[in-house]
Amino acid sequence: AQSVTQLGSHVSVSEGALVLLRCNYSSSVPPYLFWYVQYPNQGLQLLLKYTSAATLVKGINGFEAEFKKSETSFHLTKPSAHMSDAAEYFCAVSLSSNTGKLIFGQGTTLQVKP
Amino acid sequence: DTGVSQDPRHKITKRGQNVTFRCDPISEHNRLYWYRQTLGQGPEFLTYFQNEAQLEKSRLLSDRFSAERPKGSFSTLEIQRTEQGDSAMYLCASTPPTGLIHEQYFGPGTRLTVT
Repeated sequence: AQSVTQLGSHVSVSEGALVLLRCNYSSSVPPYLFWYVQYPNQGLQLLLKYTSAATLVKGINGFEAEFKKSETSFHLTKPSAHMSDAAEYFCAVSLSSNTGKLIFGQGTTLQVKP
Repeated sequence: DTGVSQDPRHKITKRGQNVTFRCDPISEHNRLYWYRQTLGQGPEFLTYFQNEAQLEKSRLLSDRFSAERPKGSFSTLEIQRTEQGDSAMYLCASTPPTGLIHEQYFGPGTRLTVT
């Protein structure tokens, strides 16, 4: 069965500091992996996706993530945090062969301090 | 594209009442998904439609829940005899018929509060 684990329910960084949000997955077959962002009282917005092409994936707003099969990880990074990055971030996995349903992690709330 | 829309955005109901939510996917998107998100958790898959056919339902979707997508356009999610445990954000997402079916576009959600 697929599952996603996000390490750290809350992450706090200073403005301008590196952002690192951790995601590990378990899947018996090569998965598709996603990061979504959710601002208060809004739906989810896709940040980036891994679909078995390049292992380093660049997304919107300066975010990127690296797929590491040996570590079953797909951590999200951004070199320099902005105040506007404060939100909740979700990692999700989907099998390439199924209906496309997403299995989400429990989320990580990113706080950016001035 | 006007995006996925959901109505209502908020719903407060008393325990035991029935509620119905509506989702309008992006035009031409033939796949539609419903998820439920409780406070502090990630969204959980409820059900999936391809056109008008409901192809998968989660065990989370008890017999009090029913979803429809007549004519393969908008979808409705009905909860009968609501319980306090049904309080959550109900999210709808859609994907186009071509391209990566796993790339889902989410609506703003309907927040249900059962008192």
